[in-house]
Amino acid sequence: EPEVTQTPSHQVTQMGQEVILRCVPISNHLYFYWYRQILGQKVEFLVSFYNNEISEKSEIFDDQFSVERPDGSNFTLKIRSTKLEDSAMYFCATSGGGGELFFGEGSRLTVL
Amino acid sequence: RKEVEQDPGPFNVPEGATVAFNCTYSNSASQSFFWYRQDCRKEPKLLMSVYSSGNEDGRFTAQLNRASQYISLLIRDSKLSDSATYLCVVRNTGGFKTIFGAGTRLFVKA
Repeated sequence: EPEVTQTPSHQVTQMGQEVILRCVPISNHLYFYWYRQILGQKVEFLVSFYNNEISEKSEIFDDQFSVERPDGSNFTLKIRSTKLEDSAMYFCATSGGGGELFFGEGSRLTVL
Repeated sequence: RKEVEQDPGPFNVPEGATVAFNCTYSNSASQSFFWYRQDCRKEPKLLMSVYSSGNEDGRFTAQLNRASQYISLLIRDSKLSDSATYLCVVRNTGGFKTIFGAGTRLFVKA
């Protein structure tokens, strides 16, 4: 069964450092998403990406966040200068257009 | 008002019980509706889409009431393996933003 692959599974970083989280979507999917889940809290929408550009973003997705798909396969989320409150599980999700989202296993980010 | 609201839970039920979860959404223009399941510290997984006419998948039945902006999920004959958090999910019309409810925790006990 096709799946979404995320790396790294866990990253520990110092406050102020840059972090890049990577996602390999299901091959024929065209819609890509990043979500965040702080431990014990709800799954929060960050951004959606379609046709090589951001289609929608939330208030959480401020200037310190960026997304790109540099090589046509990997879909990345960059956090420029991490803060303690960025500690969370970050999920990549992709969709073929029917609205159903398929999630990767997540990247756990710990900011110290 | 929250965009997607769910029963707070947790629901504690014995094996074999029938349990129902409710969800309301605030955007009347919402287009697509889903139920996801999330196990502890795992990613959300699609359980089922919710169609206007209602739909069933084995022991699971989903209903949509657009007039009341209300979605439900019924689980019959609960199994231990049904223990999880159930997430109500709404996608808005014309956009890509898919919003998750906070989830309802279900514990099924032997």
